[in-house]
Amino acid sequence: DVKVTQSSRYLVKRTGEKVFLECVQDMDHENMFWYRQDPGLGLRLIYFSYDVKMKEKGDIPEGYSVSREKKERFSLILESASTNQTSMYLCASSLAHSTGELFFGEGSRLTVL
Amino acid sequence: KNEVEQSPQNLTAQEGEFITINCSYSVGISALHWLQQHPGGGIVSLFMLSSGKKKHGRLIATINIQEKHSSLHITASHPRDSAVYICAVPNYGGSQGNLIFGKGTKLSVKP
Repeated sequence: DVKVTQSSRYLVKRTGEKVFLECVQDMDHENMFWYRQDPGLGLRLIYFSYDVKMKEKGDIPEGYSVSREKKERFSLILESASTNQTSMYLCASSLAHSTGELFFGEGSRLTVL
Repeated sequence: KNEVEQSPQNLTAQEGEFITINCSYSVGISALHWLQQHPGGGIVSLFMLSSGKKKHGRLIATINIQEKHSSLHITASHPRDSAVYICAVPNYGGSQGNLIFGKGTKLSVKP
């Protein structure tokens, strides 16, 4: 069965802390995505990667960076967490670009105090 | 940039009822996705369709390319169908590989 695993379901961090969100997929997918989901705004793309060491900014990349050193792992980094980054973060992977079926992780709910 | 509108935003139904959720988009697409999100967060892909109709169990998805409209139907609804249903389309002109997501339809099925 296809699986996308996010490292933490719930995190609580303090303003200014560095935060790492990890995502691992076991499907050998080229494409991996990080989204955030906020009430009333839906899912918005932060960054995506179409290959190892390759990344592209999504619609809301400010305050975030990513790392993809291995095909199966895509990390989202908040260099200095702020309260407006309190959100649900969802990782996804697919074989192709927007026409490919997306497989999502369970989500990581981050609270920044 | 594609824009996606879903309706209704919220829907309450009695068990057994036939459910319809609608999705309209502004720019012609190659494929449209229907997703399901249960409380707790995880999202599951239900359908990806580019024309006509697809069926999986009690779920049916249809798309009219000319009218830029898709519907998701649930027959004989059940409380376990309670979830948020989201449609998504490619964001041509935006970030490559990006999908634009509707804001979702929250369905609650009462026993």
